[in-house]
Amino acid sequence: QQQVKQSPQSLIVQKGGISIINCAYENTAFDYFPWYQQFPGKGPALLIAIRPDVSEKKEGRFTISFNKSAKQFSLHIMDSQPGDSATYFCAASIGSGNTGKLIFGQGTTLQVKP
Amino acid sequence: NAGVTQTPKFRILKIGQSMTLQCAQDMNHNYMYWYRQDPGMGLKLIYYSVGAGITDKGEVPNGYNVSRSTTEDFPLRLELAAPSQTSVYFCATRGSNTGELFFGEGSRLTVL
Repeated sequence: QQQVKQSPQSLIVQKGGISIINCAYENTAFDYFPWYQQFPGKGPALLIAIRPDVSEKKEGRFTISFNKSAKQFSLHIMDSQPGDSATYFCAASIGSGNTGKLIFGQGTTLQVKP
Repeated sequence: NAGVTQTPKFRILKIGQSMTLQCAQDMNHNYMYWYRQDPGMGLKLIYYSVGAGITDKGEVPNGYNVSRSTTEDFPLRLELAAPSQTSVYFCATRGSNTGELFFGEGSRLTVL
């Protein structure tokens, strides 16, 4: 019940295309859903996050779509650029104001071809 | 500000050896975490701390120990290293009023 399942494992997109990464969870107590971006040799960094009281959040070219009833959320990268090539992790936690223990998905390696 | 600093960046250990991965932060964050990252497995929480003197186990604590004597430092101790502990280890911090984790650049450990 503590798992977060992420797909696909890898993704290749042409420059200018849309990249879509999906995550599913079981624990309905999760109430914070961030996405992290990781470049080779670096630690993950927060990209965008959403709480279940909204169905969508957009920041620039990055959008999270959240479906509470299906227990799924996804990351959409519009107009994908070669600089977006990285590994993306979805995550979930119960109450960021508590210990904020994040449960991470398995990761998606995105390659954007020029 | 350096943020979260991890040392060493790389280390090779022999089976049965012990070592400590260091993590230091200058962000004055109460919460600190140790994760390990394995290919195709995401990041798994090893131990975490909510403040100096307080630590607790995460998802995969076996074979590891931690201590938190100061706000700034959160070392991870590996006792009797095993090949299964070959991984990249990340330390992270979080402030009290936000869900955002700030990660170090990682320590790559190989146990042969």
